[in-house]
Amino acid sequence: EVQLVQSGAEVKKPGESLKISCKGSGYSFTTYWIGWVRQMPGKGLEWMGIIYPDDSDTRYSPSFQGQVTISADKSISTAYLQWSSLKASDTAMYYCARNPGYYDTTGYEYFDYWGQGTLVTVSS
Amino acid sequence: QSVLTQPPSVSAAPGQKVTISCSGSSSNIGNSYVSWYQHLPGSAPKLLIYDNNKRPSGIPDRFSGSKPGTSATLGITGLQTGDEADYYCGTWDSRLSAWVFGGGTKLTVL
Repeated sequence: EVQLVQSGAEVKKPGESLKISCKGSGYSFTTYWIGWVRQMPGKGLEWMGIIYPDDSDTRYSPSFQGQVTISADKSISTAYLQWSSLKASDTAMYYCARNPGYYDTTGYEYFDYWGQGTLVTVSS
Repeated sequence: QSVLTQPPSVSAAPGQKVTISCSGSSSNIGNSYVSWYQHLPGSAPKLLIYDNNKRPSGIPDRFSGSKPGTSATLGITGLQTGDEADYYCGTWDSRLSAWVFGGGTKLTVL
């Protein structure tokens, strides 16, 4: 059974750093992309970026480039999303999701399995 | 402001049919595959439709997708109260070099 299990909820202060995780199981972790998606309170889904764990090839949404860092450790089948200095506006639910692949003609495919989400609250 | 435009809300009675539209452009829907996601409160989003009109294993045939040109449509027949959720379309935008989601549509089953 394919599963993506995310780390637990976090409460942080502005300016603090944070790294959340997404551990894959039940499939070959290195042959699928892992994307990160943000949902701010009361808002819709926003794509942040995506990584290919086998070689750590990473692409960022222009909206999130420079704001977060996506990484992966294929030895433990885990992808990460990190912030160096959190802001109150980073308060949101963050989901990781698996993506089968990328094609030059049509771009990335769909997100077929999703993690349960990690709620990040940033407040002074 | 989402690149893909969805109606904020739709509603219908149990047993009826509803359609949810997703309007885009030649740089996204017109040039790529569309997928649809169901997001129930407190749960992770769930893939309903991929490659415009294909259903993953386990998704009932009450759910269907189509993609005429630069727009896409999700159809749900035989509505059930359990279908009440937010629905999102998504696709790759080649101009933005980004995956884009629609703004989401809240389905109410009256």
